[in-house]
Amino acid sequence: QLQLQESGPGLVKPSETLSLTCTVSGGSISSSSYYWGWIRQPPGKGLEWIGSIYYSGSTYYNPSLKSRVTISVDTSKNQFSLKLSSVTAADTAVYYCAKYLGSSWYSHYYYYGMDVWGQGTTVTVSS
Amino acid sequence: EIVMTQSPATLSVSPGERATLSCRASQSVSSNLAWYQQKPGQAPRLLIYGASTRATGIPARFSGSGSGTEFTLTISSLQSEDFAVYYCQQYNNWPRRLTFGPGTKVDIK
Repeated sequence: QLQLQESGPGLVKPSETLSLTCTVSGGSISSSSYYWGWIRQPPGKGLEWIGSIYYSGSTYYNPSLKSRVTISVDTSKNQFSLKLSSVTAADTAVYYCAKYLGSSWYSHYYYYGMDVWGQGTTVTVSS
Repeated sequence: EIVMTQSPATLSVSPGERATLSCRASQSVSSNLAWYQQKPGQAPRLLIYGASTRATGIPARFSGSGSGTEFTLTISSLQSEDFAVYYCQQYNNWPRRLTFGPGTKVDIK
């Protein structure tokens, strides 16, 4: 059974870079059937998609965060990572990693939803 | 940019009753819509994709309908474990954008 686990500092200073890693177990991050992503949820608020990555390294980012976000994959460690630069208090949130449900057909990937989630990790931006 | 809205913000329902949640898109998303359930302190759980297809392991009391700009999630007979927040998500702009609605909280009447 595929499982995801987020890890990283729970406290980040303003203007610094937030770095989180998602470790995949019970399956291969290199499967052509899966995309992977990061989603966040500020305290008491809704869900915000941050970005997506394929094992090949193809990435897509939320346009509202694109200038500050980098998502990368390390297939040798079965991990993918999030970096968010120049953080402010508005970046305080629970950060989730997720596996996407979908299917790959020739060069196209059909997305259906996010069917496996990590438990989430709380990141607070404060000095 | 497609904006998602959900109504009502809060729905108070008695156990055993039917719950109907609405999700609206500011422009057509075809059937590219998913529904998630989130309980306090937990990650979201995928319920429905393709507007009406139940995800693996989701009970039959959950059903989704709609296409274009108007969507509905129906819980036919609320169980105690169904009290939660429900989010819709459009993926018509996949892979360039995934957008969640603001959520509907279903609580006990």
